[in-house]
Amino acid sequence: AQSVAQPEDQVNVAEGNPLTVKCTYSVSGNPYLFWYVQYPNRGLQFLLKYITGDNLVKGSYGFEAEFNKSQTSFHLKKPSALVSDSALYFCAVRDDVAGGYNKLIFGAGTRLAVHP
Amino acid sequence: NAGVTQTPKFQVLKTGQSMTLQCAQDMNHNSMYWYRQDPGMGLRLIYYSASEGTTDKGEVPNGYNVSRLNKREFSLRLESAAPSQTSVYFCASSPTVTTIVPQHFGDGTRLSIL
Repeated sequence: AQSVAQPEDQVNVAEGNPLTVKCTYSVSGNPYLFWYVQYPNRGLQFLLKYITGDNLVKGSYGFEAEFNKSQTSFHLKKPSALVSDSALYFCAVRDDVAGGYNKLIFGAGTRLAVHP
Repeated sequence: NAGVTQTPKFQVLKTGQSMTLQCAQDMNHNSMYWYRQDPGMGLRLIYYSASEGTTDKGEVPNGYNVSRLNKREFSLRLESAAPSQTSVYFCASSPTVTTIVPQHFGDGTRLSIL
């Protein structure tokens, strides 16, 4: 069965330090992976996706993510955190199943708190 | 650029009341989705519409009905609201259900059922 795990409910980091938000997945076929961010009282905003190719994916607002097939992980990273990065982050996976609708499975979310 | 617009933004209902949540998109997308978001559970798909005239159940459809009114609009109806349906509801859209592109989300409807 498809699943996504975000093992940390909350990540705390000081402004200017690097940040990592973890995500692991389980799919039966090839994974299509996404990261979304949610600010308070707003909908989800797309950050980046992995479909195929380079394992390091660059996205919006200076974020990047590293796809690791052997560890079935897709961790979100940023070299230098900003207070404005504080938000709720969701990892999602879509299974590569031929034909039909491929459902998007979301993780439970990780709250990122960046402290001045 | 409106994107995906949801109305209302907030609503409080009593158990047993009915309500329709409205969603409209202006991106000419074929596919639309309804999710609910509960603490610690991420987003779960309630229903989706691959194209105008079609709707299908998602992961948690019980207690809900949907209508794809036209290409732009996709509504979610609670016929007899229950406290377990207290949640934040998000509508999303994408060009199709099969292409690997991000879904675009509205800002949500926060629904409380007493």
